[in-house]
Parts: sequence; C-alpha cells; structure tokens
Amino acid sequence: EVQLVQSGAEVKKPGESLKISCKGSGYSFTSYWIGWVRQMPGKGLEWMGTIYPGDSDTRYSPSFQGQVTISADKSASTAYLLWSSLKASDTAIYYCARRVGSYYDSDGYSSWLDPWGQGTLVTVSS
Amino acid sequence: QSVLTQPPSASGTPGQWVTISCSGSSSNIGSNTVDWYQQVPGTAPKLLIYENHQRPSGVPDRFSGSKSGTSASLAISGLQSEDEADYYCAAWDDSLNGYIFGTGTKVTVL
Repeated sequence: EVQLVQSGAEVKKPGESLKISCKGSGYSFTSYWIGWVRQMPGKGLEWMGTIYPGDSDTRYSPSFQGQVTISADKSASTAYLLWSSLKASDTAIYYCARRVGSYYDSDGYSSWLDPWGQGTLVTVSS
Repeated sequence: QSVLTQPPSASGTPGQWVTISCSGSSSNIGSNTVDWYQQVPGTAPKLLIYENHQRPSGVPDRFSGSKSGTSASLAISGLQSEDEADYYCAAWDDSLNGYIFGTGTKVTVL
C-alpha cells in the first residue's frame, strides 16, 4: 500500500524553528515528486512547493519562497518542511502528498496528488 | 497566489444531481488538465478525479468530471449523505509554474 505518514502535531512559540516530516512507503520514494500544501484554520488549500527526492530538485510557490525550506532524505524515504523562525500566521495544517503523472500530452500538463499524508497541525502561539 | 473560482456552497437532497463549477484562465485550466479533491471535515483531502475525467480505483462512478475551455465541472449523481464534504478543483498554472487550487465548495446533503 502506498502511504505517506507525517510527524505529529507541534505547538511552538513565535521565533522558534521547526522541522516536520513526511515518510513515504510502498513505492519508490526517489521516483515521484512530493508536494506540500497548507490549510489555514477554516480556509482552503494552498500549494507551497515540491521536491524530487531523487535529486532534491525543489520548486517553491512564489507565496512561500523564502518563508520555508523543503528538503528530502532519500535514504530515509522522508521529505521535510522547515521553518527557521515561526510566526503566528504559520498556524495551519500542513499536508504532504505524492505527485503522480507529471507529464505533458495533448491535454497539457498532468500531475495530480495521490495519496496525501494525514496532515500535521502546527500551532504557533506565545 | 492565483486561484480557481468555485461557488462557496452547493446542496441537494439524497438521490439528487449536484454540479460544482471551477473557473480558471488560459494559463491553468485552458492549458492543463484538471483534478478534483474531496475533503471530509477533519480528514486529509482525497483524490476524486484526475486528468479532467479519470476516476481512481475505488471512487464511485457517481462522480464525474468534465472540462471545456477555461472551466471545469464536477458532477455528483445520486447524492448520498457520505458525499457531504468540501470539494476542490486544481490545475497546474503555466504563469506561476506551480499547482493551484480552487476556492473550495462545501456540499451539504439536506
């Protein structure tokens, strides 16, 4: 079974650093991009960025460039999301997901997210 | 961040047909395929439709997707109580070089 298991909920203070994880199993971890998605309380889904664990090629959404760091350890089949200095506005659920497809054809570019991790709730409060 | 526009809510009685629209632009839906995700409250999103109209195994054929120009639609036929959830469309955007999600539609089964 293809599965992504994320690390547990975190409660942090503003200014602290944090690294959350997403461990893949049941497939070749180095052969698929992993994406990260933010969901703020009561809000919709936002694309943060993506990494290819095979060579650590990383792309960020402009909204998140410079705000977080995405990394991966292919030997551990794990992707990470890192903050160096948290803000209260980082309070959200963060999901990782495997990107499937990732190709161009006559319909344009196709790359969908499946499966998703269970989510990691990050609470930042003084 | 660019978004795809969806109606905030939709509803129907059990057995009814419900459709959700998703409006984009030439740089996203107009150029690339559309995916749909279902998020039951308190759980992670789940892939419902990919490549405009393809259903993953295990997704009932009550769910169907379509695309025309810069818009897409999700249809739920024979609405059931377990379909009560938030639904998001998504597509790659060539201008942003990233994935963008719709604003989300909450489906209520009356």
